[in-house]
Amino acid sequence: AQSVSQHNHHVILSEAASLELGCNYSYGGTVNLFWYVQYPGQHLQLLLKYFSGDPLVKGIKGFEAEFIKSKFSFNLRKPSVQWSDTAEYFCAVRSSGTYKYIFGTGTRLKVLA
Amino acid sequence: DADVTQTPRNRITKTGKRIMLECSQTKGHDRMYWYRQDPGLGLRLIYYSFDVKDINKGEISDGYSVSRQAQAKFSLSLESAIPNQTALYFCATSADGKLFFGSGTQLSVL
Repeated sequence: AQSVSQHNHHVILSEAASLELGCNYSYGGTVNLFWYVQYPGQHLQLLLKYFSGDPLVKGIKGFEAEFIKSKFSFNLRKPSVQWSDTAEYFCAVRSSGTYKYIFGTGTRLKVLA
Repeated sequence: DADVTQTPRNRITKTGKRIMLECSQTKGHDRMYWYRQDPGLGLRLIYYSFDVKDINKGEISDGYSVSRQAQAKFSLSLESAIPNQTALYFCATSADGKLFFGSGTQLSVL
């Protein structure tokens, strides 16, 4: 069965610090990968997605993620975080050709002003 | 108006009661999902439906049932609620590789 691991459960950073959130998945076939963000009191929104092609994908609000197939990883990065990035971040995987989305346990990011 | 609407927004119920959470969408999407969110556990898939005649169990379907009354409506039922079903429940639709979430239903089972 597919699974998604997010090893960082809570991250606290100061503004302007760089961010990297880890995501690993287990699935032997072709996958599509996603990062979603949930701001306090809101529902989840898509940050970025990877289907194929360039393994470095850019999303909204300056976020990017790199797909490394050999490591089954899809880590989220941002060079300089802002206070407004305080949120919970979820990695998700979907087997290519299916429509079943499996989420990781999430990482709560707190950015200190 | 929201594209994916969940009702109620909040519900408190007692152990053993039957409860239904409703979801409707105006996006015209065929695929709909129910997830529950628990602190530290992320989102877990309960049921998903690819059209009105196609309903599938997710990771944690025990204790839940669903009904896809129409393309636009997908309801989640707890036949006999128990306290560990206390959670935030999200309905979602999908298209073009993207999930569209409702605002959630906070359910508390006492």
